[in-house]
Amino acid sequence: AQTVTQSQPEMSVQEAETVTLSCTYDTSESDYYLFWYKQPPSRQMILVIRQEAYKQQNATENRFSVNFQKAAKSFSLKISDSQLGDAAMYFCACIAQGGSEKLVFGKGTKLTVNP
Amino acid sequence: GAVVSQHPSWVICKSGTSVKIECRSLDFQATTMFWYRQFPKQSLMLMATSNEGSKATYEQGVEKDKFLINHASLTLSTLTVTSAHPEDSSFYICSAPRGSGGFTDTQYFGPGTRLTVL
Repeated sequence: AQTVTQSQPEMSVQEAETVTLSCTYDTSESDYYLFWYKQPPSRQMILVIRQEAYKQQNATENRFSVNFQKAAKSFSLKISDSQLGDAAMYFCACIAQGGSEKLVFGKGTKLTVNP
Repeated sequence: GAVVSQHPSWVICKSGTSVKIECRSLDFQATTMFWYRQFPKQSLMLMATSNEGSKATYEQGVEKDKFLINHASLTLSTLTVTSAHPEDSSFYICSAPRGSGGFTDTQYFGPGTRLTVL
């Protein structure tokens, strides 16, 4: 089964600045997908970005981009031009083919955006 | 994007009663849905996988007789917390994968249900 580790319980960033959230994962499977989900105070889980492990190109969604380092099993999320609405819990998650094929989440990072 | 709804959004019940939570995929069909539990300031923990037309599969340590799951149709799964006790108080979230089928589908989440058992 895969494991996901987020080593930063909390992070803060100034509005309009850039912040990077860290995530490492471990899986013995060769076919897997990685995700970042955002959970604002409403607690609705929102998909931020998705990365297929077989793709070398880092995924990008507007102000959100990832740095996918497959050999290091690292999957960090970069938020550019941070906005107040970006304040939320961010969860890194992994799902792998074979085994359980279930989405496994990290413990989350609470992001605060300061005006 | 895909929309998943949950009802109710919050519920308060007395100890010993049963509570039913509904999860619906509004604009797509889902043969599989997932139920998670989230304690305050913690991550999501998978409780069970709901399968349309067959029995649910439960994660280790989850009591299947306490958390009854019924996948009634391709758009509806229900979680019934039977004989609820204060320790069952939590935030329950469902998700449904949308795509061609298989583990590669992205999961879309419902807004969650806050259960408080007095």
